Order: sequence, then C-alpha cells, then structure tokens
Amino acid sequence: EAGVTQFPSHSVIEKGQTVTLRCDPISGHDNLYWYRRVMGKEIKFLLHFVKESKQDESGMPNNRFLAERTGGTYSTLKVQPAELEDSGVYFCASSQVGSGRATDTQYFGPGTRLTVL
Amino acid sequence: AQRVTQPEKLLSVFKGAPVELKCNYSYSGSPELFWYVQYSRQRLQLLLRHISRESIKGFTADLNKGETSFHLKKPFAQEEDSAMYYCALGGGDKLIFGTGTRLQVFP
Repeated sequence: EAGVTQFPSHSVIEKGQTVTLRCDPISGHDNLYWYRRVMGKEIKFLLHFVKESKQDESGMPNNRFLAERTGGTYSTLKVQPAELEDSGVYFCASSQVGSGRATDTQYFGPGTRLTVL
Repeated sequence: AQRVTQPEKLLSVFKGAPVELKCNYSYSGSPELFWYVQYSRQRLQLLLRHISRESIKGFTADLNKGETSFHLKKPFAQEEDSAMYYCALGGGDKLIFGTGTRLQVFP
C-alpha cells in the first residue's frame, strides 16, 4: 500500500512569490490534515478535510494560505504571496473513514521543506 | 489552553542505559496522548498511544493524570532507537505536538 505522498520535497522561492504544495493521501482515506513545523518550534495543525469539506481550518495562519481538496482526493496548499516566516516543513497526514478524531491513526507524508528567501 | 511540553531538546545515552523522555500536557477533559517518532530520513510515524497500553519496540508510556505527564520509557536503549520523538495530545480532530526530543544512543 502506497503511503501519503507529498510534492515537491523541497521548494525554494523568493518573498512575494507563490508556491503550491500537493498532498496525495492514502487511497480511501477521507480525512486529510495539514501541519507545519517552523524551525525550532513544534509541529502545528493547519487544517483538516473530511472528503472535500474543510472540517477545521482553525490553524491556518492568515488569508495568504489557501487549501483545497477538490473531489475529495488529493489536496493542495497554496501560499500567496509567500513571506519569510512561512519557511518550514509542511506535513500532510491522512486517516481512514472514522470519527475524524485524533484517535484515528494519522499517517504522515514525508513533508515538503519550504524555504522563502 | 491545550499544550504539550517536552522539556529536553536532546537526550544522549549509551547503549543499554535506561531512557526516559519527558512529556507534560495541559488539557481540560479526558486527554488522548500519543508518542510519534521520526527516524533519520523517514517519515513521522505513530509509536504508541496511551489507550492501547501496549509496548512497542520495548517502549512504554503511562498516562499520569495527577502529574499530567505521559513520559516515554525504555529500560535498555538500542542504537536504532536514535530518532526524534514527539509527544502529542489529541485535541478533537487535530494533534497538538510538543517541540520534540532528539534521542541519541551511543554505542
């Protein structure tokens, strides 16, 4: 079974540019999560999709971040325009159909390392 | 406020020594606690959860509600245990992570 995949693995952009990160969850997983780890800090929740619907987007830092999951399969996270403080590792995770609670095992992708210069 | 604290950034031990990675939490209600591990060049993966009360790779963790702790323990560390360990709290649908502790096990 293929795990959660993320693309790209690394992205280096300049301040003000736009970047789109992609996450492909495990097939059949309705729940999809985005997290971010900024250097030296904890991994923080960004948002949670159940199929194509945003269940919880309380962790999104500001309106420069836009997440979509059209069709309930893969998800994209766009940052526009990127700022220096957006640098970090962006993780995607998915879990099976269930309560959508944290007790459902979340399977993580390898992450995308974003560097904004 | 929901919070997870891992006071140690780095823990270094020799092979065969006991290991205890500390984790304290702040949560109103019944907490769900997890330990995640990230080995070098691998993805973050679940190590164990308190509701399972199981031992994985020799590691155990007991939830102490009185001390609001969920410390991870192993009696005899192995070199392959070297990794980044994250304690996490289940807050509704999301996981709330601590800053992580890097465990280095020397031969």
